[in-house]
Amino acid sequence: EAGVVQSPRYKIIEKKQPVAFWCNPISGHNTLYWYRQNLGQGPELLIRYENEEAVDDSQLPKDRFSAERLKGVDSTLKIQPAELGDSAVYLCASSLNRDSPLHFGNGTRLTVT
Amino acid sequence: QKEVEQNSGPLSVPEGAIASLNCTYSDRGSQSFFWYRQYSGKSPELIMSIYSNGDKEDGRFTAQLNKASQYVSLLIRDSQPSDSATYLCAVNGVRAGNNRKLIWGLGTSLAVNP
Repeated sequence: EAGVVQSPRYKIIEKKQPVAFWCNPISGHNTLYWYRQNLGQGPELLIRYENEEAVDDSQLPKDRFSAERLKGVDSTLKIQPAELGDSAVYLCASSLNRDSPLHFGNGTRLTVT
Repeated sequence: QKEVEQNSGPLSVPEGAIASLNCTYSDRGSQSFFWYRQYSGKSPELIMSIYSNGDKEDGRFTAQLNKASQYVSLLIRDSQPSDSATYLCAVNGVRAGNNRKLIWGLGTSLAVNP
């Protein structure tokens, strides 16, 4: 089966600029996650979707971050405006349901200068 | 106490030895447990999942779960240099208010020396 697809792989932007990440989950996976990971740290959940519904966005900085999951399949994560502290790897993952193991995409490495 | 704890390491073992990685968790109601391997600059990759007490073996990997003592471990037999990576423990079903969440440890760095 095809894995989780993310784009872009790398992004370098100046602070205050907007940026968007895209994720296509594994076909049939109802649950989709966006994580942020800093060097030497575990993944930090930003938002979790069950189909098209955001069921856990408690850790999403809503003043600058937004996300959507169109028709319960693809998802986009946006940051506007970006700050220096947003530099990290942004990981998308999907699972069959909330109790199943997660499968990760290759991630997007964001550098904010 | 952190919800999911791992020794950060680095854990260094010689090639061919058994590597033992441990993870403890705080919520007795936790329901499922996962081990992920993450190479430097790569995404986490699922190694093992375990849901009930006891051992689960898959090739050179064995996951051990003890719910009474609230720990889950990963044993890697015949360790190879290619096993050198960070191993992340993830525990599902950790109580957070009215919800249950998947909580990640910070990872243990493993170095297998030729």
